[in-house]
Amino acid sequence: GAVVSQHPSWVICKSGTSVKIECRSLDFQATTMFWYRQFPKQSLMLMATSNEGSKATYEQGVEKDKFLINHASLTLSTLTVTSAHPEDSSFYICSASSLSVGYTFGSGTRLTVV
Amino acid sequence: GNSVTQMEGPVTLSEEAFLTINCTYTATGYPSLFWYVQYPGEGLQLLLKATKADDKGSNKGFEATYRKETTSFHLEKGSVQVSDSAVYFCALSDSQGGSEKLVFGKGMKLTVNP
Repeated sequence: GAVVSQHPSWVICKSGTSVKIECRSLDFQATTMFWYRQFPKQSLMLMATSNEGSKATYEQGVEKDKFLINHASLTLSTLTVTSAHPEDSSFYICSASSLSVGYTFGSGTRLTVV
Repeated sequence: GNSVTQMEGPVTLSEEAFLTINCTYTATGYPSLFWYVQYPGEGLQLLLKATKADDKGSNKGFEATYRKETTSFHLEKGSVQVSDSAVYFCALSDSQGGSEKLVFGKGMKLTVNP
């Protein structure tokens, strides 16, 4: 079946530094990749939608200069949290999608900013 | 716009109990409907889906039927196991994949005790 690899699975960083999270579709080409943030009590928030080679579309309230999304190829998207602060600590999940495969999720990244 | 409303829980059941998680939706067209499961510390896995009215999705003993007349997609399992302890999300999309985003319910945490 379709597999999406997300790395790292967890990361601890100092306040003010930047962190990059990678999302790769291993055995299919993803038309679109989605980035979610999961809050306590499991609520999932869609942050942005990205298509290969074009700028990401951010949901209302998500700072695009803080959460940089790059979708360089049909198999790779990255989310960079810039100048991270403790309030950015969260669980981030990516999803890769195509009409033939459907939606496949990565295993998530636990970000802790200290 | 599209939306999903589901039981939020948390719910605790004993092993072999019957499980129902209610899910209703609002959509302008004919969406595809999904149930995803999230085990602790992991991303989301597709549990089952249905793409048109009266379709029944099933997997691992779980079932859900796409009811257009009641705009519902309730998840059921006749006898839960400890290994079913997880968070369950109901979701919909205007397609089965591609560039259309998934709209999620808030998730329901299920704990099954031996």
